[in-house]
Amino acid sequence: KAGVTQTPRYLIKTRGQQVTLSCSPISGHRSVSWYQQTPGQGLQFLFEYFSETQRNKGNFPGRFSGRQFSNSRSEMNVSTLELGDSALYLCASSTAGAYEQYFGPGTRLTVT
Amino acid sequence: AQKITQTQPGMFVQEKEAVTLDCTYDTSDQSYGLFWYKQPSSGEMIFLIYQGSYDEQNATEGRYSLNFQKARKSANLVISASQLGDSAMYFCAMRESSSASKIIFGSGTRLSIRP
Repeated sequence: KAGVTQTPRYLIKTRGQQVTLSCSPISGHRSVSWYQQTPGQGLQFLFEYFSETQRNKGNFPGRFSGRQFSNSRSEMNVSTLELGDSALYLCASSTAGAYEQYFGPGTRLTVT
Repeated sequence: AQKITQTQPGMFVQEKEAVTLDCTYDTSDQSYGLFWYKQPSSGEMIFLIYQGSYDEQNATEGRYSLNFQKARKSANLVISASQLGDSAMYFCAMRESSSASKIIFGSGTRLSIRP
């Protein structure tokens, strides 16, 4: 069974731009969560989608948004990029009711 | 509030030795799950082991075992017979039933295996 895939793997953007990251979960997994990892703040939960609905949200500004499609694929969007948005963005998927999540390889975003 | 504490920023261990990575947690939920993930330099988070709060036995997965001491709110990871490929960051994490999907991570321990 294929794992979680994320595209693109690397991205360089400038301040003020917006970016969209994509995540395809493991087949059969309907829950997709997004995390931001930075050296200073560590791993922080962004949000989770289940059956196309946002089910949980972390403490991030409204510039961070996401959505999920009917095939469970998810996208996250960051508008008006700031230097502090430079991070590794990780996506994780799980089956309904399961505690464990399986992570993708991440998208490394650099904002200049 | 839920919290995960990993007090060992870095550890060096000789190859083939056993190593214990410490993790303590804080939660007011009765139902929760505890995890350990490995993150190599490539960045991908690799799921290692899971322990449920109601599980009576310690979880084991190959060379990994989780020393779960509920009263002390401790969930240490034990790696037996360490290998060079075990060098990575290790994260302890928790998921409460009340917060559904949200996983809280500790700050991590960087494990380096010496040949």
